Amino acid sequence: DAGVIQSPRHEVTEMGQEVTLRCKPISGHNSLFWYRQTMMRGLELLIYFNNNVPIDDSGMPEDRFSAKMPNASFSTLKIQPSEPRDSAVYFCASSRGDEQYFGPGTRLTVT
Amino acid sequence: GENVEQHPSTLSVQEGDSAVIKCTYSDSASNYFPWYKQELGKGPQLIIDIRSNVGEKKDQRIAVTLNKTAKHFSLHITETQPEDSAVYFCAASITSYGKLTFGQGTILTVHP
Repeated sequence: DAGVIQSPRHEVTEMGQEVTLRCKPISGHNSLFWYRQTMMRGLELLIYFNNNVPIDDSGMPEDRFSAKMPNASFSTLKIQPSEPRDSAVYFCASSRGDEQYFGPGTRLTVT
Repeated sequence: GENVEQHPSTLSVQEGDSAVIKCTYSDSASNYFPWYKQELGKGPQLIIDIRSNVGEKKDQRIAVTLNKTAKHFSLHITETQPEDSAVYFCAASITSYGKLTFGQGTILTVHP
């Protein structure tokens, strides 16, 4: 199995630009999670989907963040407009039961 | 909501020694407790987990214990090796709810 796939692995953008992060979950998994990791706040859950439906988006910091899951094999996390404080590593994880499996992450730097 | 506290934040041991990391949780309804290992530049990797109907679980050099009454659980690594050096995270959730709450992480360094 290829595991959770994320792209891009690194993204550098200027403040105000739109950023789109992509995730392909493990085949057969029905839940997908987006996390953000920073030194100050650790690992934070932003949003998660079950069977492509958003279940809990209470971790999404503000309206600049949005996530979609148009089908079982693809999800996006979009930030528009981006700000320097959005700089972090963003992880996608998927699961079929309790065990969540993480992707390699996208390191986002907003200058 | 759930709150997970993890200690210590850093742990340094000699190769061959044991390492213990402890976590406490606040929500008595939590019933699933995984541990993740994160190496530099990589995503967290699930290494072991325990459910509330079990008090202890072991997998080779790694073991996890759970005390539901006290609401704490621990990770034990025996015969540590340099490749065990990483950041370790505990987490807690309510099964079927899906949402994991993570501890702050422990940086484990194993000196050869």
